[in-house]
Amino acid sequence: ETGVTQSPTHLIKTRGQQVTLRCSSQSGHNTVSWYQQALGQGPQFIFQYYREEENGRGNFPPRFSGLQFPNYSSELNVNALELDDSALYLCASSPRAGGPAETQYFGPGTRLLVL
Amino acid sequence: AQSVTQLGSHVSVSEGALVLLRCNYSSSVPPYLFWYVQYPNQGLQLLLKYTTGATLVKGINGFEAEFKKSETSFHLTKPSAHMSDAAEYFCAVRTNTGNQFYFGTGTSLTVIP
Repeated sequence: ETGVTQSPTHLIKTRGQQVTLRCSSQSGHNTVSWYQQALGQGPQFIFQYYREEENGRGNFPPRFSGLQFPNYSSELNVNALELDDSALYLCASSPRAGGPAETQYFGPGTRLLVL
Repeated sequence: AQSVTQLGSHVSVSEGALVLLRCNYSSSVPPYLFWYVQYPNQGLQLLLKYTTGATLVKGINGFEAEFKKSETSFHLTKPSAHMSDAAEYFCAVRTNTGNQFYFGTGTSLTVIP
């Protein structure tokens, strides 16, 4: 069984640029959540996708957007990058059937540095 | 709204000593509680979770946690620390009225030989 994978592992961008991060969910999982983890902090929820639709959003501006594809893989797009966007971005997948008690399985993350 | 407080951003214990990592939560509805561990340059791995039923939950690697509703706590313990336990530990809460995890700020565990 393949776990959650993310690409790229590291990325360096400059302020104002746009970035796309990718996530492949674990086999059999149809729900994907994205988190931002700043240095020394806990993960902060960005949004969740279920069956290709956004299914909840945290306190992040609209320049953070996402997609989920029919194979349940997902993208996180960030426009107009700011220095504070530098963080580890984590993707987590889960099977929807279990609901809120269901475990989320995390990928290794993409570390983004904005200069 | 839900929130999590982890007391002690850094905890050091000797190898073989008791590990106690504290977590208090705030939730207006019954919570689901999780502990995750993060090793350097890796994602989060589930240690254990409380959903319903028995309030003492056993997880992987010898860790356990007890849900105490009256104290709104979910502290993580391990009787005997091992060098391999050195990592960052995160407590998280979720409820059936929402679909996101609320994480604490984490506790970095150092194990001294």
